[in-house]
Amino acid sequence: DVKVTQSSRYLVKRTGEKVFLECVQDMDHENMFWYRQDPGLGLRLIYFSYDVKMKEKGDIPEGYSVSREKKERFSLILESASTNQTSMYLCASSFSGRAPGETQYFGPGTRLLVL
Amino acid sequence: AQKITQTQPGMFVQEKEAVTLDCTYDTSDPSYGLFWYKQPSSGEMIFLIYQGSYDQQNATEGRYSLNFQKARKSANLVISASQLGDSAMYFCAMREGKFYGNEKLTFGTGTRLTIIP
Repeated sequence: DVKVTQSSRYLVKRTGEKVFLECVQDMDHENMFWYRQDPGLGLRLIYFSYDVKMKEKGDIPEGYSVSREKKERFSLILESASTNQTSMYLCASSFSGRAPGETQYFGPGTRLLVL
Repeated sequence: AQKITQTQPGMFVQEKEAVTLDCTYDTSDPSYGLFWYKQPSSGEMIFLIYQGSYDQQNATEGRYSLNFQKARKSANLVISASQLGDSAMYFCAMREGKFYGNEKLTFGTGTRLTIIP
């Protein structure tokens, strides 16, 4: 079974703090994704990576950065956390993206509260 | 314009009844795929079913089936014989274009399904 793990289930931070969210997958997947989920808005893509050290902006990259130094690990960084970044953050991975029905596999999510 | 529209924010259904969750999509690309995911209260998204734009038959996976009406751009999820464990958020998602190099999914806003005993 594919396993995607996220470093924390719940996180409380203060405004202005630098926040790191870590995601690790154990199936040698090429692609990794970071989403945020807000009520009434569904999931929105922040960034994704299709290879080590490669990244592409998603729909809402402002205020975030990412790092992928190793294939299995994809980090989301909030350089200076703000209250409007309070949300549920979901990491996902997929094998290659080349097969039509290939799904993304999701981690359990991190609920971030910025005070 | 919304690419994926789920018009039912919440639904209540009696146990053992069939459920239809609506999803309409908007794309001009002839190649696309539609996915349904379930998100229980634990938070993890679980893949349920996939339908490709060129698939001739509606997809089925156990109690899940997809009512795919291409001309109407709808891809409704049907759950037969609902169970209490089906209570969750359900998301419809779309992937557009030729699949290589287009790994991104666009999600709808979700439908919260509650099964009543």
